[in-house]
Amino acid sequence: DAGVIQSPRHEVTEMGQEVTLRCKPISGHDYLFWYRQTMMRGLELLIYFNNNVPIDDSGMPEDRFSAKMPNASFSTLKIQPSEPRDSAVYFCASSLGTSGGAYNEQFFGPGTRLTVL
Amino acid sequence: RKEVEQDPGPFNVPEGATVAFNCTYSNSASQSFFWYRQDCRKEPKLLMSVYSSGNEDGRFTAQLNRASQYISLLIRDSKLSDSATYLCVVNFAGNNRKLIWGLGTSLAVNP
Repeated sequence: DAGVIQSPRHEVTEMGQEVTLRCKPISGHDYLFWYRQTMMRGLELLIYFNNNVPIDDSGMPEDRFSAKMPNASFSTLKIQPSEPRDSAVYFCASSLGTSGGAYNEQFFGPGTRLTVL
Repeated sequence: RKEVEQDPGPFNVPEGATVAFNCTYSNSASQSFFWYRQDCRKEPKLLMSVYSSGNEDGRFTAQLNRASQYISLLIRDSKLSDSATYLCVVNFAGNNRKLIWGLGTSLAVNP
């Protein structure tokens, strides 16, 4: 089975441009997570969805960031306008859901390495 | 104080050595604990969950001390392939889906 798929793998853009990152979760997983990783701050949860519904977006840094999940097999993270401090690796992860909120392993995609000049 | 703290290392050890990593967490209400492994320029992957009674998976042993809010990972008989960054992960209190990640401990196993 295919794992979590992310595109693009690398993105270089100029300050002020719009950036759209894409993610396809593992089929059958009903939780999807967007993370950002930097050397200074490590992995930070930005937002997560359950059954395509955003549950917690408290990690989204500011209004320039938005995320959508129009269906169970696709999600986007958009940055508009982008700034140099947004440069990071953005990971998408997915997991199964269980009743009672028990933890299930999060499977990560390969990430998108974003550089904003 | 950071929510999850780890010694960043790097730890440089010879093949066959035993190495231990420690992690402390700040929220006593956290209930789920994990070690993830991340290879250079790759995504994190679950290494093992950490249970109150301690648990072992081959050469890897994880332990949890709730009273001290401390998690450890022991690697015995280190292999070259163990070279990676090890991330300590704790759930956000009251939400098993929301994870808080340490910055990681870097391990280099040398021939």
